[in-house]
Amino acid sequence: DAGVIQSPRHEVTEMGQEVTLRCKPISGHNSLFWYRQTMMRGLELLIYFNNNVPIDDSGMPEDRFSAKMPNASFSTLKIQPSEPRDSAVYFCASSASGGLGDTQYFGPGTRLTVL
Amino acid sequence: TQLLEQSPQFLSIQEGENLTVYCNSSSVFSSLQWYRQEPGEGPVLLVTVVTGGEVKKLKRLTFQFGDARKDSSLHITAAQPGDTGLYLCAGVPFGNEKLTFGTGTRLTIIP
Repeated sequence: DAGVIQSPRHEVTEMGQEVTLRCKPISGHNSLFWYRQTMMRGLELLIYFNNNVPIDDSGMPEDRFSAKMPNASFSTLKIQPSEPRDSAVYFCASSASGGLGDTQYFGPGTRLTVL
Repeated sequence: TQLLEQSPQFLSIQEGENLTVYCNSSSVFSSLQWYRQEPGEGPVLLVTVVTGGEVKKLKRLTFQFGDARKDSSLHITAAQPGDTGLYLCAGVPFGNEKLTFGTGTRLTIIP
């Protein structure tokens, strides 16, 4: 069975450019999560969706970040404009139900480098 | 300030040795999870503990949830190189709906 799919796996861009990260959750899962991982701050929850609706976006660092989930099989995380401090590994995860304590299945991540 | 503090931050031991890593907080959690993350991959769930004092075993790994539901430990017996990775605890505090991850313990098992 396919797990959570993320693309691209690596992204290198210059400061000021727009970056779009993509995620396909596991089929049948109705909750989707976006995380950011850095050495300094560890793994941080940015936003999560339940049944395609954003439930909590309090972890989104600032207005430059936005996330959408137009349907049950696709989500994007966009950074516009990007800054060097946005460099991190971004993970998408999905779970079968909406409970935050439920098992979350993580994708392989997108390593973003902003020069 | 991190809600979940893990210790040690780094641990490097010889194959065959035993080890314990800790996850501590001043907050009470409804449940607590342990994940292992290998380089270039996302975290993978190992176990979820939900009852204060609960002990769960997964082959050579033993997980314990503190009686007060504020802390947890992971004990590995006879460590193997395949145990190498970043170990993360994560929990949902009572009164807060956000799943919070710990600071992580980076474990290296030397063959």
